[in-house]
Amino acid sequence: EAQVTQNPRYLITVTGKKLTVTCSQNMNHEYMSWYRQDPGLGLRQIYYSMNVEVTDKGDVPEGYKVSRKEKRNFPLILESPSPNQTSLYFCASITSGRARSEQFFGPGTRLTVL
Amino acid sequence: AQSVTQLGSHVSVSEGALVLLRCNYSSSVPPYLFWYVQYPNQGLQLLLKYTSAATLVKGINGFEAEFKKSETSFHLTKPSAHMSDAAEYFCAVSVPRTSGSARQLTFGSGTQLTVLP
Repeated sequence: EAQVTQNPRYLITVTGKKLTVTCSQNMNHEYMSWYRQDPGLGLRQIYYSMNVEVTDKGDVPEGYKVSRKEKRNFPLILESPSPNQTSLYFCASITSGRARSEQFFGPGTRLTVL
Repeated sequence: AQSVTQLGSHVSVSEGALVLLRCNYSSSVPPYLFWYVQYPNQGLQLLLKYTSAATLVKGINGFEAEFKKSETSFHLTKPSAHMSDAAEYFCAVSVPRTSGSARQLTFGSGTQLTVLP
């Protein structure tokens, strides 16, 4: 079954404590992306990756890092989380780099930073 | 840059009634348009997409949307609402680029659909 998995699904942490949210896909897609979802703002892209070792900033990259060492994994790293990063995060695996491509989303990670 | 406006953050309909969720886009080039649905505690799932073929697009679960260039709209409709349609719906726009198109998917702010018994 084609799927995108994220872990953890829920996380409560404190300001400044480094954390990583993992994302893995089994569809052999080259393109992957991270979004955050906030009420009234829809989804905003944080980072995306076009292939292994190729990443680029989205619309709201401040305070986040990513890495892409293997095609299937695309972890999101918060080196020093702050309360304004409390949000619902989604990883997506994308069928291609073309504008018409479809995005497959993970189940989401709800992060609370105290 | 492209953008999407979804009119109405909350829409309520009675079971069996017509569902109409509004989406208007702005783009300097011909766009690709998408509707995604998010059920509670789940990720987004593609409902349908317009990729410059037929202007009337049929999707899953009985939903359809019509691309109207003159109105810059891509409204989502379903003739008869079911209780299971209650979810949040997102319209999104993407435009062709020479490279890195995947990053140019821009989402609207979402419309929460409530279906009343």
